[in-house]
Amino acid sequence: DTEVTQTPKHLVMGMTNKKSLKCEQHMGHRAMYWYKQKAKKPPELMFVYSYEKLSINESVPSRFSPECPNSSLLNLHLHALQPEDSALYLCASSQDDRGREKLFFGSGTQLSVL
Amino acid sequence: GEDVEQSLFLSVREGDSSVINCTYTDSSSTYLYWYKQEPGAGLQLLTYIFSNMDMKQDQRLTVLLNKKDKHLSLRIADTQTGDSAIYFCAEFSGGYQKVTFGIGTKLQVIP
Repeated sequence: DTEVTQTPKHLVMGMTNKKSLKCEQHMGHRAMYWYKQKAKKPPELMFVYSYEKLSINESVPSRFSPECPNSSLLNLHLHALQPEDSALYLCASSQDDRGREKLFFGSGTQLSVL
Repeated sequence: GEDVEQSLFLSVREGDSSVINCTYTDSSSTYLYWYKQEPGAGLQLLTYIFSNMDMKQDQRLTVLLNKKDKHLSLRIADTQTGDSAIYFCAEFSGGYQKVTFGIGTKLQVIP
C-alpha cells in the first residue's frame, strides 16, 4: 500500500462551521504533513508531525488545528474559517522528517469557504 | 532564504522531447525533486536526484543537475498527451529543514 488517503475530496463550509479533514497512510511513515495550495500556486507547508509530535508550525492561524492521533492518521480541524482559506489541502507523508525520503501526497481536499 | 524558480508554461508537440528548467538558490540543498500534478489531483513524485550527482535517467525521464549554476532540468523523451500536467521542481533545504516548491511549469502537449 503506497497510498495516502484523504477525506473528504470536496468540502463546502460556512464561516461559522466546524469541520475536519482526515488523512491516513499505512506505509509505516513517521512524518506527516499538511500543505495548502491555492489555484495556480505551489503547495505551501503548514504543519509537520514527526513521530506523532508537532515539529513545524509555519505560523498558521489558530483557526487551523492539526492533530495526530496515531502514526497512521493526521487530522486538520477547521473552525471559523475565512473565504480566503478556500484552497486545496494536501496531506503528505515520508519515511521521516529529514526530507531525504520521498514525499507521498494524497489527492487533496478541495475546500470552499462561503 | 530558499527560492526555487521555474518558467510558467511550455508547449510541445506529441512525440517531441520536453525540457523543463528550474533554478534554486540554497547551496545547502541536498535533494532535488520533480513532481507532477494533474488537474484536481495531488502531487506525484516523478524522480529525484542527490546533490552530489549530475545526471539521473529513469525510462523517458532524464534529470540534469548543474550544482555550480544551481540549475536543474527535467527532460521527457517522446512526450505524450498524458504528460500534460503541471511540473513542480522542489528542493530539500538542509538549512531550513523543509521541502520548498517552485511555482510549477504547465506542460501542454499538442497532439
